[in-house]
Amino acid sequence: KNEVEQSPQNLTAQEGEFITINCSYSVGISALHWLQQHPGGGIVSLFMLSSGKKKHGRLIATINIQEKHSSLHITASHPRDSAVYICAVRFSSGGGADGLTFGKGTHLIIQP
Amino acid sequence: ETGVTQTPRHLVMGMTNKKSLKCEQHLGHNAMYWYKQSAKKPLELMFVYSLEERVENNSVPSRFSPECPNSSHLFLHLHTLQPEDSALYLCASSQGPAVRDTEAFFGQGTRLTVV
Repeated sequence: KNEVEQSPQNLTAQEGEFITINCSYSVGISALHWLQQHPGGGIVSLFMLSSGKKKHGRLIATINIQEKHSSLHITASHPRDSAVYICAVRFSSGGGADGLTFGKGTHLIIQP
Repeated sequence: ETGVTQTPRHLVMGMTNKKSLKCEQHLGHNAMYWYKQSAKKPLELMFVYSLEERVENNSVPSRFSPECPNSSHLFLHLHTLQPEDSALYLCASSQGPAVRDTEAFFGQGTRLTVV
């Protein structure tokens, strides 16, 4: 079964802390996305990666294909980083126009 | 602003009503998607359209009826819904499944409440 597991489910931290959110998946993928969902519901794509590491501002995403694992890091966290972070993968299931399979999300709260 | 616009943002409807959700993108994308997000559950794929053809129906009940009149617009027609259908419905688009590893752009979602 194609599954995506995220941890932790909930995370509360103090402003300035280094944050790590983890994502594991069960079988081979062609791409992994990290998404950010704010309380209003809208989703913003943060990263799409299939290997290695990407960095954008204070956000860093890494993926280890062999271990089927990805991490999202936030450096110098800020209250505006408070959101739900969702890992989503596109499984290498062969042909067809499939969408993404999502983790349950990590609810992050950064306190001032 | 992601370039994908959904309307309405909020909708309350009775179980006997008929309503439609609308999604619009002008990003030149060829694939559009409907997702459902229920409370405390992961996002679930409902429908995929590629080049205006439905290519996936993820076992969605027939009370949900999608329509894709052109590559920029996607509708979700709703009729005789149940209270458990209350959820956030998200539309997304991407360059297209033929170019599979492309970024997906999401709309703001429609918060649907069925009473």
